[in-house]
Amino acid sequence: DVKVTQSSRYLVKRTGEKVFLECVQDMDHENMFWYRQDPGLGLRLIYFSYDVKMKEKGDIPEGYSVSREKKERFSLILESASTNQTSMYLCASSFRAAGLALRNEQFFGPGTRLTVL
Amino acid sequence: LAKTTQPISMDSYEGQEVNITCSHNNIATNDYITWYQQFPSQGPRFIIQGYKTKVTNEVASLFIPADRKSSTLSLPRVSLSDTAVYYCLVGDNNNDMRFGAGTRLTVKP
Repeated sequence: DVKVTQSSRYLVKRTGEKVFLECVQDMDHENMFWYRQDPGLGLRLIYFSYDVKMKEKGDIPEGYSVSREKKERFSLILESASTNQTSMYLCASSFRAAGLALRNEQFFGPGTRLTVL
Repeated sequence: LAKTTQPISMDSYEGQEVNITCSHNNIATNDYITWYQQFPSQGPRFIIQGYKTKVTNEVASLFIPADRKSSTLSLPRVSLSDTAVYYCLVGDNNNDMRFGAGTRLTVKP
């Protein structure tokens, strides 16, 4: 079974803090993704990575950065957390067979509910 | 941005067949159509993917007309456990595949 794990289910931080959200997958997937999910807005793509040290901006990258130093790990960083970053954060991974293969099945982690006070 | 349009919500009753239609008027030649299911407090889960005509698996069927400007996810004989949000996405290997707001399906006893 594909397993995508996220470092925390729930996280509470203060405005201005630096926040790290970690995601690890165990299926040797090339592609990894970070989404945030807010009521009524569905899932919005923040960043994705198709290889180690490679990253591409999604639809809402502002206020976020990412790091992919190892194939199995993809980190989302909030440099200075703000209250409007309170959300559910979901990580996903997928195989890359041809091109970026972004249409391949994505496997999601359980999510991290982040609250910024 | 999502290239699809779906109803915001639908209600059904146990045992009924449910059809959720997705509009994608600007679908490109190389785009595939993919559906995901998301239960509360979980990440989305892949259900089915197709390019044209009909695809069926153990969970659902996907109907795609010849012009491919829409698609219909069909869930046979739903149960309470099928209550979830269903997302329709279109895209190809090198193009944007985006989740929209999805369709919230509520199955009632």
